[in-house]
Amino acid sequence: AQSVTQPDIHITVSEGASLELRCNYSYGATPYLFWYVQSPGQGLQLLLKYFSGDTLVQGIKGFEAEFKRSQSSFNLRKPSVHWSDAAEYFCAVVTDNNDMRFGAGTRLTVKP
Amino acid sequence: GAVVSQHPSWVICKSGTSVKIECRSLDFQATTMFWYRQFPKQSLMLMATSNEGSKATYEQGVEKDKFLINHASLTLSTLTVTSAHPEDSSFYICSASPTGRITEAFFGQGTRLTVV
Repeated sequence: AQSVTQPDIHITVSEGASLELRCNYSYGATPYLFWYVQSPGQGLQLLLKYFSGDTLVQGIKGFEAEFKRSQSSFNLRKPSVHWSDAAEYFCAVVTDNNDMRFGAGTRLTVKP
Repeated sequence: GAVVSQHPSWVICKSGTSVKIECRSLDFQATTMFWYRQFPKQSLMLMATSNEGSKATYEQGVEKDKFLINHASLTLSTLTVTSAHPEDSSFYICSASPTGRITEAFFGQGTRLTVV
């Protein structure tokens, strides 16, 4: 079954530092991949998505992600983190059953 | 962007009672809606998928008689937690997709259910 794995449960970075959140997927064909962000007690906001084409995807809030088929990865990056980026980040995939499954999530803490 | 409204945002109910959560797509027709459950500091676990006019498809381990899902129109899906117990306390989130093949899903704000 298709799935995504987020190996890092919690990451702490300093404000202004770069960020990379890891996501690995399990899928035979080209998957539909997403990154969402969730603030405490809130729903999810889409940061970016990938279906096909250019493997470097630009999203909102200065985020980008790169699809690497050879590594089965879709890592999220941001060159300079802001304190407001502190949140929970989820990688997701659309499965063959046409539903969306989520990784375990990575909680981002931003140090002043 | 597309908006999904979920109501209520929080609810407290007594054990044994039922509570209904609504999920509405405000500016698009939702071919498919999904219901998730999220425990504190955990990921979203898919409970069921619903398509307008048909029965919901429940994930393994989710009691369909306890979590009643109705997708009566292309803009409204409801989740009713019947005979609620304290262990049903959780954060419930709905999402909706405007397309048959999921290319994007829009999420509601979530509902915090506390059963006392």
